[in-house]
Amino acid sequence: QQQVKQSPQSLIVQKGGIPIINCAYENTAFDYFPWYQQFPGKGPALLIAIRPDVSEKKEGRFTISFNKSAKQFSLHIMDSQPGDSATYFCAARNGGGSNYKLTFGKGTLLTVNP
Amino acid sequence: DTGVSQDPRHKITKRGQNVTFRCDPISEHNRLYWYRQTLGQGPEFLTYFQNEAQLEKSRLLSDRFSAERPKGSFSTLEIQRTEQGDSAMYLCASSPRGSGANVLTFGAGSRLTVL
Repeated sequence: QQQVKQSPQSLIVQKGGIPIINCAYENTAFDYFPWYQQFPGKGPALLIAIRPDVSEKKEGRFTISFNKSAKQFSLHIMDSQPGDSATYFCAARNGGGSNYKLTFGKGTLLTVNP
Repeated sequence: DTGVSQDPRHKITKRGQNVTFRCDPISEHNRLYWYRQTLGQGPEFLTYFQNEAQLEKSRLLSDRFSAERPKGSFSTLEIQRTEQGDSAMYLCASSPRGSGANVLTFGAGSRLTVL
């Protein structure tokens, strides 16, 4: 059972474009939603995270939009650069008993062409 | 560098052999996690330690898998009688107590190939 559904699987944009990656979840007990960035040969690195009590969070060129009623959240990358080419994972944490466990989406491979 | 270190980075073994991976977390982090990542998938939770106590073990971990964190510092993940389905990247992560507990720092992973 996939608890966090991520789309698209891959995405190609031109430099300066605004790629958008979407995630949806079913478990209303999720209370923390991070995005991780992973480069080849490296482990995932935390990019930005949001809690469901806010609808948007911005850090530099990265923005999370959160829609609690639709149980959806998305990552927007403004003014994308070739160095942003990586795999992006959304994740969610259960606020209940196992509140240390992250459930990840399947990932989106982003390619930013120069 | 005070990041999370994993060793070895790559292990090739034959089916039926035992393998052990080591993780050295960030020194002040009391929480340690193991995740498994297969090609085209996101990381999947395997197990969690708070200090030396193993607080949860996923159903993904069969009885061939064992993890330890004997002194609350480094951790080992052992796989006995490896199977081809065990081929994956094994990721270790750590996080501090308190408000930073949500911020997991991952290592680069140990890639296992079972022939």
